[in-house]
Amino acid sequence: GESVGLHLPTLSVQEGDNSIINCAYSNSASDYFIWYKQESGKGPQFIIDIRSNMDKRQGQRVTVLLNKTVKHLSLQIAATQPGDSAVYFCAETLSGSARQLTFGSGTQLTVLP
Amino acid sequence: GAVVSQHPSRVICKSGTSVKIECRSLDFQATTMFWYRQFPKQSLMLMATSNEGSKATYEQGVEKDKFLINHASLTLSTLTVTSAHPEDSSFYICSARDRTGGRAIQYFGAGTRLSVL
Repeated sequence: GESVGLHLPTLSVQEGDNSIINCAYSNSASDYFIWYKQESGKGPQFIIDIRSNMDKRQGQRVTVLLNKTVKHLSLQIAATQPGDSAVYFCAETLSGSARQLTFGSGTQLTVLP
Repeated sequence: GAVVSQHPSRVICKSGTSVKIECRSLDFQATTMFWYRQFPKQSLMLMATSNEGSKATYEQGVEKDKFLINHASLTLSTLTVTSAHPEDSSFYICSARDRTGGRAIQYFGAGTRLSVL
């Protein structure tokens, strides 16, 4: 079936650098996307969302970019900090429907001192 | 953001006993809640969708008689692992959907680490 996947299972960045985490989705009907952060032993934490009528959305130190043409989603973290070390999941769904989120496989981000 | 409370955070039980996990939405009403299972280094696997006032919808391969779900109110869903066995040991996470403002964000509980001896 259709699924959401990630290009890189692990990513290591130096503290202070910018991080980019990528995600590819295959369900062209999806119109709502969310990025979650999961620290070890904890539940996923909402970071930022974006609707398909937008290409870019910014939050605090984070930016999500959506390219509907190639069905690609990315999360950019500015000035990465040690506390950003976690697994990041993208998720997609069809808003207004009862369909649950479909999660990608996750990317482990490690921030090096 | 909205808060979802999950309890207990960790439970150790003997094989054959039942364990109940509670999931509460603290500042919004959730007509729909979800239960996930997560193995180490893997993504979340949806087990079932819990609908307030009606029967839960289970994903393929999930035994409904083993994983009992009750969603009796708009803020509470429970998952009971009946006659638990070591293979049921896992990290269970609940989620509640907040439809406030036309959005459909799923907020997650902190998870429950179940260890069956």
